[in-house]
Amino acid sequence: QVQLQESGPGLVKPSETLSLTCTVSGAADTTHHWSWVRQAPGKGLEWIGHTDFSDTRYNPFLKSRVTISLDTSGTQFSLRLTSVTAADTAVYYCAIYFRGQGGRGFWGQGSLVTVSS
Amino acid sequence: DIQMTQSPTTLSASVGDRVTITCRTSQSVDHWLAWFQQKPGRAPKLLIYKVSYLDSGVPSRFSGSGSGTEFTLTISSLQPDDFATYYCQQFRDYWWTFGQGTKVEVK
Repeated sequence: QVQLQESGPGLVKPSETLSLTCTVSGAADTTHHWSWVRQAPGKGLEWIGHTDFSDTRYNPFLKSRVTISLDTSGTQFSLRLTSVTAADTAVYYCAIYFRGQGGRGFWGQGSLVTVSS
Repeated sequence: DIQMTQSPTTLSASVGDRVTITCRTSQSVDHWLAWFQQKPGRAPKLLIYKVSYLDSGVPSRFSGSGSGTEFTLTISSLQPDDFATYYCQQFRDYWWTFGQGTKVEVK
């Protein structure tokens, strides 16, 4: 059974960079889609992007500020979001979607990041 | 990009009711659509993948159907544990998108 755990600062100042890491335990195939999803307080789910070793895709509304990278060991992947504002305050989830499975995969429990001075 | 429209936004229902939630997409997503259930403070939980396949451990009262641009999630007999928010997600486009969510609340 694969388990995912997000980690990183819970508070980030405006204009700074949000950095989160997702640690994966259990065997996870690096050809799957290693993803980040966020949810602002009281709002719906927003797909941020995903990567595997051959392709990385981002939400076009965040593309200029976001980087998702995958550790070659396949045990960690990360999210960087630059120039954050209060609108980036959200619970950030990491997830692994199985390639070609139309939604199947594993999710982390989520990490609340608040943007505030 | 593919726009997702879920309806209704909120649904009031009673235990035992048959509940149907609709997800419409602005372009065909073939069979690349899933349904998730989310409860407050919890991560989303997959219910249905590839339009109609029930994920492991999901009760059989949940079912998914549809094709092209219109899809439905049906709960055949609503149970107390089913009061939650439901999201569809498409995987057809270059970038993936979620519906805005449907909250199923107690009538």
